Amino acid sequence: QSVLTQPPSVSGAPGQTVTISCTGSNFNIGAGYDVHWYQQLPGTAPKLLISDNTNRPSGVPDRFSGSKSGTSASLAITGLQPEDEGDYFCQSYDTSLSGFSVFGTGTTVTVL
Amino acid sequence: QLLLQESGPGLVKASGTLSLTCVVSGDFKHSGSDYWGWVRQPPGKGLEWIGSVYYSGHTYENPSLKSRVTLSLDRSGKQFSLNLTSLTAADTAVYYCARPRGRQSWFDSWGPGTLVTVSS
Repeated sequence: QSVLTQPPSVSGAPGQTVTISCTGSNFNIGAGYDVHWYQQLPGTAPKLLISDNTNRPSGVPDRFSGSKSGTSASLAITGLQPEDEGDYFCQSYDTSLSGFSVFGTGTTVTVL
Repeated sequence: QLLLQESGPGLVKASGTLSLTCVVSGDFKHSGSDYWGWVRQPPGKGLEWIGSVYYSGHTYENPSLKSRVTLSLDRSGKQFSLNLTSLTAADTAVYYCARPRGRQSWFDSWGPGTLVTVSS
């Protein structure tokens, strides 16, 4: 039911850069609503990684960065580390119905 | 540091009602602009926002679940609850309570989650 589409999986070797896309529409990202990103390691709750498109909460390594353009957003992980392996979700706000928070379909990052 | 902890039954019957509570604790000062929310995740699947409740008691629900969801906030602000009716197997999920920083905003604190299985 998600209106934010992410690639199911991305992979990279340690030290490489991977990018995860989050594609929405003019009802959410394209309407100007901010995008937030979460990391979910196996068996744990999601953890906020990026807020308001580009802001890193205290404690989040600077190898994580976010951007937004048009109806899409992206999360980049530079200098990929083994501990970055897990699931990543984008989140925004959608107004196609009465207005609701919506998460992306999720992307599994594999460190080769 | 804000701490959130879900509690409720791990197993519920189909067609029944799920009731979950989230306790808010830790080094946290309540403000007049607090929101509290629920998110769920079916096994092996993605995240789904269920709804959020504002400190005033006003609630916002996912349109796809609105007819079955009731959210409430304790007057002390130290716990909030979720009721989900007419359960089916599709409601089997890990349920998280979390704090959104606004109606359209990010979730900055999450509980560990509680697995709820709907049995027939």
